[in-house]
Amino acid sequence: DADVTQTPRNRITKTGKRIMLECSQTKGHDRMYWYRQDPGLGLRLIYYSFDVKDINKGEISDGYSVSRQAQAKFSLSLESAIPNQTALYFCATSDKGQGAEDEQFFGPGTRLTVL
Amino acid sequence: DQQVKQNSPSLSVQEGRISILNCDYTNSMFDYFLWYKKYPAEGPTFLISISSIKDKNEDGRFTVFLNKSAKHLSLHIVPSQPGDSAVYFCAASGTGNTGKLIFGQGTTLQVKP
Repeated sequence: DADVTQTPRNRITKTGKRIMLECSQTKGHDRMYWYRQDPGLGLRLIYYSFDVKDINKGEISDGYSVSRQAQAKFSLSLESAIPNQTALYFCATSDKGQGAEDEQFFGPGTRLTVL
Repeated sequence: DQQVKQNSPSLSVQEGRISILNCDYTNSMFDYFLWYKKYPAEGPTFLISISSIKDKNEDGRFTVFLNKSAKHLSLHIVPSQPGDSAVYFCAASGTGNTGKLIFGQGTTLQVKP
């Protein structure tokens, strides 16, 4: 079984709809991250969480919100989806420890299309 | 402002030859650098890393070189294999073990049989 899972894998929605992307991990890691990938821009950090009570904005958090329901679960929400949020979304996890947190483990991604 | 840049969107090499992927950064506070590989329909997977106190790290066919004065790193794959065809991202993290990675745009490597 995959260590980091994301649901759904693909989603098509309409402008203005609320969307939630879910991420679960069995690695026992405290740290979790949400990224989006766009052509020519690489991966950009949306939000990250170092434990259940610690949520931080990344470089492109506008239009997004997150919820850390448990150590193993980190959800990303788009309150009112817009077309420029069409992208590939990745969840990642990392462990604490000297240097270990730099090595992140990624889920398979969710392809989101906003019409 | 893009702090980590991969200026070559794509690279094509012949099987058995060397692949060299390049990455430049602007922030001198970065002290740890990583390369990730990504196949279609999969998430990125960690490939190799290097600390700023080193100038070279080797793992099998993969070697990463770091030139701090030039703020440049490169990934060498020798010999290249068709299974190496993927998108390669370089990433950097800053001092203090913040856990935050800054990624480059990615380079698509095609290894031709």
